[in-house]
Amino acid sequence: AQSVTQLDSQVPVFEEAPVELRCNYSSSVSVYLFWYVQYPNQGLQLLLKYLSGSTLVKGINGFEAEFNKSQTSFHLRKPSVHISDTAEYFCAVTNSGGYQKVTFGTGTKLQVIP
Amino acid sequence: GAVVSQHPSRVICKSGTSVKIECRSLDFQATTMFWYRQFPKQSLMLMATSNEGSKATYEQGVEKDKFLINHASLTLSTLTVTSAHPEDSSFYICSARDIKDGTLNQPQHFGDGTRLSIL
Repeated sequence: AQSVTQLDSQVPVFEEAPVELRCNYSSSVSVYLFWYVQYPNQGLQLLLKYLSGSTLVKGINGFEAEFNKSQTSFHLRKPSVHISDTAEYFCAVTNSGGYQKVTFGTGTKLQVIP
Repeated sequence: GAVVSQHPSRVICKSGTSVKIECRSLDFQATTMFWYRQFPKQSLMLMATSNEGSKATYEQGVEKDKFLINHASLTLSTLTVTSAHPEDSSFYICSARDIKDGTLNQPQHFGDGTRLSIL
């Protein structure tokens, strides 16, 4: 079984400040990792994904994440946030072979303060 | 590209009625679609995996007779909430994987969700 933990339910940050949203996962097999963003009353939009290769992954809207296998983490970062980044962010994991089920974390609400 | 259309976006209906939600992949084909339920301020919970031309696979605890899923074509899956009650009120989201993505666990493409409110 696999699981995802997002320790921070809410992260307030001032505009133009850097931010890190934490994600830790647990799995007995190799994994693929994803970060999604959800705006109010909308579905999910993919920010970035890690499948293999370079552990530093760059995504849309200036976000990036680093896969750390030893720490089983996949933290999301942005060097300078904007008001428009205010949203809910979900980390997700799936095993790298076989069944396609994706497990989502509980989400982190990023609130950018003007 | 990779647009998933979900309809309707919002439904308000009386207790006891059945509600059908459609999920369409507009510019790609999907042999597999997923239905999620999201409670306020919570994560997405997978309800079932919809397979084109065969029966859906339901997650543990999800009532098959309550949540009927039909995946009749490579671009359309429907979720019908039968005899809906207030406790079924929730945000339902579908997603789909492009058939061209093969066996790799490429990201799913999500619809914008349906807000279901049962009075």
